[in-house]
Amino acid sequence: GAGVSQSPSNKVTEKGKDVELRCDPISGHTALYWYRQSLGQGLEFLIYFQGNSAPDKSGLPSDRFSAERTGGSVSTLTIQRTQQEDSAVYLCASSFVHLGAYNEQFFGPGTRLTVL
Amino acid sequence: GDSVTQMEGPVTLSEEAFLTINCTYTATGYPSLFWYVQYPGEGLQLLLKATKADDKGSNKGFEATYRKETTSFHLEKGSVQVSDSAVYFCALSSNTGNQFYFGTGTSLTVIP
Repeated sequence: GAGVSQSPSNKVTEKGKDVELRCDPISGHTALYWYRQSLGQGLEFLIYFQGNSAPDKSGLPSDRFSAERTGGSVSTLTIQRTQQEDSAVYLCASSFVHLGAYNEQFFGPGTRLTVL
Repeated sequence: GDSVTQMEGPVTLSEEAFLTINCTYTATGYPSLFWYVQYPGEGLQLLLKATKADDKGSNKGFEATYRKETTSFHLEKGSVQVSDSAVYFCALSSNTGNQFYFGTGTSLTVIP
């Protein structure tokens, strides 16, 4: 079956512009996560969606970042008024939640964002 | 809060050398533990996992044992290959929350 897909794979933008990053999780996975991976750094948790529950936004670094998940499937991460420090690889992952237990996450290939 | 600490890199080994990448964790309850691998130019993929104490996860010659007494999940491989060159991430999933916690990653380079 298809894995997690993300688009675009690369995005170059100018400082101050808004960008939208898309994630298509694996069908049937109710949990969806966004992470940021900066050069030489680990994974920084951004936001988490599970079913119809309110998302966990505790990792969003500023109010310029927001995300939504429509119909419990596709998710869009939006960064407004981009800054150079937003340059990173943005990773999306999904997982299957069974009886309250969280199974391993399946990652997409990421979107490499470069802010000039 | 929950967290994962893993060995800093980069690590450079000769082919057929023994590999250990240390990982320790802090968690309440009984977390599940994972090792993910990121090959050059690719996304993260699960390498192995263990869901309870004393479990051993294994895959592709890699092993890690869930040690509750030392709160560790060290990754080992007896004989590395050039194709093992990648970044390895230790992670935990706490059964009391909805987040996964990742280590900072350890870069491994295996030279012929």
